[in-house]
Amino acid sequence: LAKTTQPISMDSYEGQEVNITCSHNNIATNDYITWYQQFPSQGPRFIIQGYKTKVTNEVASLFIPADRKSSTLSLPRVSLSDTAVYYCLVGEASGSARQLTFGSGTQLTVLP
Amino acid sequence: DTGVSQDPRHKITKRGQNVTFRCDPISEHNRLYWYRQTLGQGPEFLTYFQNEAQLEKSRLLSDRFSAERPKGSFSTLEIQRTEQGDSAMYLCASSPGREAFFGQGTRLTVV
Repeated sequence: LAKTTQPISMDSYEGQEVNITCSHNNIATNDYITWYQQFPSQGPRFIIQGYKTKVTNEVASLFIPADRKSSTLSLPRVSLSDTAVYYCLVGEASGSARQLTFGSGTQLTVLP
Repeated sequence: DTGVSQDPRHKITKRGQNVTFRCDPISEHNRLYWYRQTLGQGPEFLTYFQNEAQLEKSRLLSDRFSAERPKGSFSTLEIQRTEQGDSAMYLCASSPGREAFFGQGTRLTVV
């Protein structure tokens, strides 16, 4: 099981770009990297998923270097409403508990 | 609303009582997951269904916990003889593949 390591917390200011890095040294060939966001008293919400290089959608970008041992979630121009816990997950897309194993996440606090 | 629905949203029960939670996944999602989350921690995996088959079960799921997914549609999670340590948010998620969609959870308080 690929273990992930992310910072416990990060602070940022409104309008700044935020980069959260996740380490996953034991990532397997078939593993994807997925990020979820969770607000208090709500279930996690899918943000973005990638396998290699760069993926971008309407809310974030995901940068994955060639060795895939780490990944960086980039949130452009954060606002107060981006304050949440962000989880990095590594696993196959085949459907299993391994696909959705959460760590402790990164608490992002956006300050005015 | 076509999202994952969980019922009830909140449940307060006395220690020793049985409780049952329901999850209605997004229709046609064949994968369904149950998680438990306590304050300050990430969601912990409990069990996984593919259609009606319960394929994986965490060691966290003691004999007091049981989950079903009859006909591969909605799912129920039952906790028998509740203990104070069962107090947590219970989350359900469904998935058609890579992306999982979570419900808002059922918050259980055992007093």
